[in-house]
Amino acid sequence: KQEVTQIPAALSVPEGENLVLNCSFTDSAIYNLQWFRQDPGKGLTSLLLIQSSQREQTSGRLNASLDKSSGRSTLYIAASQPGDSATYLCAVGSINTGTASKLTFGTGTRLQVTL
Amino acid sequence: EAQVTQNPRYLITVTGKKLTVTCSQNMNHEYMSWYRQDPGLGLRQIYYSMNVEVTDKGDVPEGYKVSRKEKRNFPLILESPSPNQTSLYFCASSSRTDAAGELFFGEGSRLTVL
Repeated sequence: KQEVTQIPAALSVPEGENLVLNCSFTDSAIYNLQWFRQDPGKGLTSLLLIQSSQREQTSGRLNASLDKSSGRSTLYIAASQPGDSATYLCAVGSINTGTASKLTFGTGTRLQVTL
Repeated sequence: EAQVTQNPRYLITVTGKKLTVTCSQNMNHEYMSWYRQDPGLGLRQIYYSMNVEVTDKGDVPEGYKVSRKEKRNFPLILESPSPNQTSLYFCASSSRTDAAGELFFGEGSRLTVL
Protein backbone atom coordinates (compact mmCIF):
# COMPACT_ATOMS: atom_id res chain seq x y z
CA LYS A 1 0.00 0.00 0.00
CA GLN A 2 1.37 3.40 -0.97
CA GLU A 3 2.37 5.66 1.88
CA VAL A 4 3.27 9.30 1.41
CA THR A 5 5.24 11.22 4.02
CA GLN A 6 6.00 14.92 4.22
CA ILE A 7 8.67 16.24 6.52
CA PRO A 8 8.76 18.62 8.26
CA ALA A 9 5.16 18.99 9.35
CA ALA A 10 5.70 22.71 9.89
CA LEU A 11 8.31 25.21 8.79
CA SER A 12 8.87 28.89 9.52
CA VAL A 13 11.27 30.96 7.42
CA PRO A 14 12.00 34.67 7.02
CA GLU A 15 10.88 36.44 3.88
CA GLY A 16 13.27 36.14 0.95
CA GLU A 17 14.69 32.78 1.90
CA ASN A 18 14.80 29.92 -0.58
CA LEU A 19 13.30 26.73 0.81
CA VAL A 20 12.71 23.09 0.02
CA LEU A 21 9.72 20.97 1.00
CA ASN A 22 10.06 17.20 0.92
CA CYS A 23 7.72 14.40 -0.08
CA SER A 24 8.62 10.71 0.06
CA PHE A 25 6.63 7.70 -1.09
CA THR A 26 7.08 4.00 -0.50
CA ASP A 27 6.05 2.51 -3.87
CA SER A 28 7.99 3.86 -6.83
CA ALA A 29 5.50 2.50 -9.37
CA ILE A 30 3.62 5.75 -9.91
CA TYR A 31 1.71 7.47 -12.70
CA ASN A 32 2.39 10.96 -11.45
CA LEU A 33 2.92 13.22 -8.47
CA GLN A 34 1.16 16.49 -7.77
CA TRP A 35 1.88 19.35 -5.41
CA PHE A 36 -1.00 21.34 -3.96
CA ARG A 37 -1.40 24.41 -1.83
CA GLN A 38 -4.13 24.71 0.81
CA ASP A 39 -5.00 27.99 2.50
CA PRO A 40 -6.87 27.91 5.84
CA GLY A 41 -10.56 27.19 5.34
CA LYS A 42 -10.09 26.72 1.61
CA GLY A 43 -9.83 23.92 -0.87
CA LEU A 44 -6.66 22.73 -2.54
CA THR A 45 -5.07 24.48 -5.49
CA SER A 46 -2.91 22.49 -7.87
CA LEU A 47 0.61 23.92 -8.18
CA LEU A 48 2.59 21.43 -10.23
CA LEU A 49 1.95 18.05 -11.81
CA ILE A 50 4.87 15.77 -12.68
CA GLN A 51 4.24 12.73 -14.84
CA SER A 52 6.26 9.60 -14.08
CA SER A 53 8.39 10.13 -17.19
CA GLN A 54 9.42 13.64 -16.12
CA ARG A 55 12.16 14.73 -13.73
CA GLU A 56 10.91 18.21 -12.89
CA GLN A 57 8.35 20.91 -13.51
CA THR A 58 8.61 24.66 -13.04
CA SER A 59 6.06 27.39 -12.54
CA GLY A 60 7.29 30.85 -11.65
CA ARG A 61 9.18 30.68 -8.35
CA LEU A 62 8.24 27.04 -7.87
CA ASN A 63 10.21 24.04 -9.04
CA ALA A 64 9.26 20.45 -8.32
CA SER A 65 11.56 17.51 -8.91
CA LEU A 66 10.83 13.81 -8.98
CA ASP A 67 13.18 10.90 -8.31
CA LYS A 68 11.11 7.76 -8.66
CA SER A 69 13.92 5.35 -7.88
CA SER A 70 14.46 6.87 -4.45
CA GLY A 71 10.79 7.60 -3.87
CA ARG A 72 11.25 11.32 -3.40
CA SER A 73 9.99 14.64 -4.65
CA THR A 74 10.98 18.11 -3.60
CA LEU A 75 9.21 21.42 -4.01
CA TYR A 76 11.62 24.32 -4.20
CA ILE A 77 10.28 27.80 -3.50
CA ALA A 78 12.58 30.66 -4.45
CA ALA A 79 12.61 34.04 -2.71
CA SER A 80 9.76 33.19 -0.36
CA GLN A 81 7.06 35.78 0.37
CA PRO A 82 4.49 36.10 3.18
CA GLY A 83 1.82 35.21 0.60
CA ASP A 84 3.43 31.79 0.26
CA SER A 85 2.26 30.94 3.79
CA ALA A 86 -0.03 27.93 3.46
CA THR A 87 -0.04 24.16 3.80
CA TYR A 88 1.61 22.30 0.93
CA LEU A 89 0.53 18.76 0.11
CA CYS A 90 1.84 16.21 -2.30
CA ALA A 91 -0.25 13.43 -3.82
CA VAL A 92 0.79 10.32 -5.70
CA GLY A 93 -1.12 8.33 -8.30
CA SER A 94 0.09 4.74 -7.92
CA ILE A 95 0.23 2.10 -10.64
CA ASN A 96 -0.21 -0.78 -8.22
CA THR A 97 -3.66 0.40 -7.20
CA GLY A 98 -4.69 -0.48 -10.74
CA THR A 99 -5.72 3.01 -11.69
CA ALA A 100 -4.33 6.52 -11.58
CA SER A 101 -7.72 7.54 -10.26
CA LYS A 102 -6.73 6.63 -6.72
CA LEU A 103 -4.47 9.25 -5.23
CA THR A 104 -2.59 8.99 -1.95
CA PHE A 105 -1.96 12.28 -0.16
CA GLY A 106 0.69 13.23 2.33
CA THR A 107 -0.33 15.06 5.50
CA GLY A 108 1.27 18.28 4.36
CA THR A 109 3.88 20.81 5.44
CA ARG A 110 2.54 23.97 7.03
CA LEU A 111 4.72 26.87 5.87
CA GLN A 112 4.88 30.27 7.50
CA VAL A 113 6.92 33.04 5.87
CA THR A 114 7.60 35.86 8.31
CA LEU A 115 8.38 39.51 7.60
CA GLU B 1 -15.44 31.12 -13.97
CA ALA B 2 -14.28 27.50 -13.83
CA GLN B 3 -15.18 26.09 -10.47
CA VAL B 4 -16.24 23.17 -8.32
CA THR B 5 -19.14 24.08 -6.04
CA GLN B 6 -20.03 22.20 -2.88
CA ASN B 7 -23.09 22.65 -0.68
CA PRO B 8 -23.57 22.99 2.16
CA ARG B 9 -20.27 24.50 3.30
CA TYR B 10 -21.11 23.87 6.95
CA LEU B 11 -23.53 21.40 8.46
CA ILE B 12 -24.29 20.15 11.93
CA THR B 13 -26.53 17.11 12.11
CA VAL B 14 -27.42 14.25 14.42
CA THR B 15 -26.60 10.57 14.24
CA GLY B 16 -28.78 8.67 11.80
CA LYS B 17 -30.27 11.61 9.93
CA LYS B 18 -29.66 11.10 6.21
CA LEU B 19 -27.87 13.91 4.43
CA THR B 20 -26.49 14.73 1.00
CA VAL B 21 -23.57 16.95 0.15
CA THR B 22 -23.82 18.20 -3.40
CA CYS B 23 -20.93 18.78 -5.78
CA SER B 24 -21.17 20.44 -9.16
CA GLN B 25 -18.50 21.39 -11.70
CA ASN B 26 -18.85 23.65 -14.73
CA MET B 27 -15.75 22.50 -16.63
CA ASN B 28 -17.26 19.48 -18.42
CA HIS B 29 -14.83 17.24 -16.54
CA GLU B 30 -15.27 13.50 -16.73
CA TYR B 31 -13.40 12.61 -13.54
CA MET B 32 -14.82 13.54 -10.13
CA SER B 33 -13.87 12.41 -6.65
CA TRP B 34 -14.69 12.86 -2.98
CA TYR B 35 -12.13 13.13 -0.17
CA ARG B 36 -12.28 13.60 3.56
CA GLN B 37 -9.59 15.45 5.47
CA ASP B 38 -8.89 14.67 9.11
CA PRO B 39 -6.10 16.00 11.35
CA GLY B 40 -3.03 13.79 11.20
CA LEU B 41 -4.52 11.57 8.49
CA GLY B 42 -4.40 13.88 5.50
CA LEU B 43 -6.84 13.57 2.62
CA ARG B 44 -8.32 10.15 2.02
CA GLN B 45 -10.31 9.22 -1.05
CA ILE B 46 -13.90 8.11 -0.45
CA TYR B 47 -15.29 7.46 -3.94
CA TYR B 48 -14.41 8.51 -7.45
CA SER B 49 -16.10 8.51 -10.84
CA MET B 50 -14.45 8.36 -14.24
CA ASN B 51 -17.62 9.09 -16.17
CA VAL B 52 -21.39 9.16 -15.98
CA GLU B 53 -22.73 6.01 -14.32
CA VAL B 54 -19.17 4.83 -13.54
CA THR B 55 -18.16 5.00 -9.88
CA ASP B 56 -15.66 3.13 -7.74
CA LYS B 57 -14.54 2.95 -4.14
CA GLY B 58 -11.58 4.83 -2.81
CA ASP B 59 -9.79 4.02 0.43
CA VAL B 60 -12.56 4.83 2.93
CA PRO B 61 -15.96 4.18 1.29
CA GLU B 62 -17.74 2.67 4.29
CA GLY B 63 -20.84 4.64 5.31
CA TYR B 64 -21.00 6.64 2.09
CA LYS B 65 -22.81 6.38 -1.22
CA VAL B 66 -22.41 8.32 -4.44
CA SER B 67 -24.17 8.60 -7.76
CA ARG B 68 -23.19 10.07 -11.13
CA LYS B 69 -26.32 10.51 -13.19
CA GLU B 70 -25.09 13.66 -14.89
CA LYS B 71 -21.60 14.67 -15.87
CA ARG B 72 -21.57 17.88 -13.83
CA ASN B 73 -22.94 16.51 -10.53
CA PHE B 74 -21.48 14.02 -8.06
CA PRO B 75 -23.40 14.04 -4.76
CA LEU B 76 -22.10 12.35 -1.61
CA ILE B 77 -24.78 10.63 0.44
CA LEU B 78 -24.54 9.67 4.09
CA GLU B 79 -27.49 7.34 4.67
CA SER B 80 -27.05 7.11 8.44
CA PRO B 81 -24.31 9.49 9.60
CA SER B 82 -22.27 8.63 12.67
CA PRO B 83 -19.92 10.81 14.76
CA ASN B 84 -16.84 9.25 13.12
CA GLN B 85 -17.95 10.87 9.87
CA THR B 86 -17.37 14.29 11.36
CA SER B 87 -14.81 15.68 8.97
CA LEU B 88 -13.96 18.20 6.28
CA TYR B 89 -15.08 16.94 2.88
CA PHE B 90 -13.72 17.95 -0.50
CA CYS B 91 -14.99 17.29 -4.00
CA ALA B 92 -12.57 17.46 -6.92
CA SER B 93 -12.68 17.11 -10.70
CA SER B 94 -10.24 16.62 -13.54
CA SER B 95 -10.37 16.82 -17.30
CA ARG B 96 -8.69 13.43 -17.58
CA THR B 97 -10.71 10.25 -17.16
CA ASP B 98 -8.43 9.40 -14.29
CA ALA B 99 -6.74 11.69 -11.77
CA ALA B 100 -3.59 12.05 -13.86
CA GLY B 101 -4.49 15.56 -14.88
CA GLU B 102 -4.70 18.72 -12.82
CA LEU B 103 -7.25 18.35 -10.04
CA PHE B 104 -9.66 21.19 -9.25
CA PHE B 105 -11.05 21.23 -5.71
CA GLY B 106 -14.17 22.69 -4.17
CA GLU B 107 -13.97 24.90 -1.08
CA GLY B 108 -14.88 22.07 1.25
CA SER B 109 -17.87 21.09 3.40
CA ARG B 110 -17.36 20.90 7.15
CA LEU B 111 -19.68 18.29 8.61
CA THR B 112 -20.31 17.70 12.31
CA VAL B 113 -22.33 14.68 13.39
CA LEU B 114 -23.54 14.79 17.00
